[in-house]
Amino acid sequence: SQQGEEDPQALSIQEGENATMNCSYKTSINNLQWYRQNSGRGLVHLILIRSNEREKHSGRLRVTLDTSKKSSSLLITASRAADTASYFCATYRDTGRRALTFGSGTRLQVQP
Amino acid sequence: DTAVSQTPKYLVTQMGNDKSIKCEQNLGHDTMYWYKQDSKKFLKIMFSYNNKELIINETVPNRFSPKSPDKAHLNLHINSLELGDSAVYFCASSQEGGPGTGINTIYFGEGSWLTVV
Repeated sequence: SQQGEEDPQALSIQEGENATMNCSYKTSINNLQWYRQNSGRGLVHLILIRSNEREKHSGRLRVTLDTSKKSSSLLITASRAADTASYFCATYRDTGRRALTFGSGTRLQVQP
Repeated sequence: DTAVSQTPKYLVTQMGNDKSIKCEQNLGHDTMYWYKQDSKKFLKIMFSYNNKELIINETVPNRFSPKSPDKAHLNLHINSLELGDSAVYFCASSQEGGPGTGINTIYFGEGSWLTVV
C-alpha cells in the first residue's frame, strides 16, 4: 500500500513566490526524504530528515517533520522557473522493509 | 561518469515478447533496486537486492525476474510482455548507514521507458 501522500497533487505559482508541499504517511519512520524529478529524468535526492529532527534547511529548501501527525512539509523559497518539476516524499520505516516508499508526488509549475 | 546507468532508455516492443533492461552502478553501493513508475507518476518498488541477495520482492508477476551477477549490476528481465507493463522502470542504488541508521540516499538512473504495443 502507498505510504506517502503528497498534497497538493499540482501547484502553479509565479517566480519569486514560495512553494509549500505537504506529505502524510502512515507508519512510524526512521527518516523521511524529499526527491525531485524533472520531466523525463530520474529522481534526485534533495534532503533527508531523521525521525528525531523537526526541521532542516538546505539552501532555499526547508523541511519540517511532525511525527505525531505523521506529516512533513517542503518549502521552496523564492522559487525560480528552474524549480519546475515533480517533488516526491519518501519514507524509510524504522522496522520491517528496508526500502524507501514513495508518494505520488506534487507537480510544481513555476511561471516566469 | 554516470553513477547509475541503465539501458536501453527507450524500448518499444510487441505483446508477448521478452525483453531485458540492464543496470549498473559505480558508486560501490551494496543495495540496488528496481522501481516502476506508472502513467500517474506513482513510483512503486519492485525488487531490492543487497550484495546479490534478494531482499524485497513485491507482488510483481513472476514474468519479471531480476538478476544480480554482482553487487554493481541488477538486470531486469520481463517475459511475455503485456500492455499493462508499459511504464518507466527506474534502477537505483543506495548504501545503508549501518544497523538502525536506515537508508541515507537513493541514487536513481535516468529511467527506461517501456512501451508495449
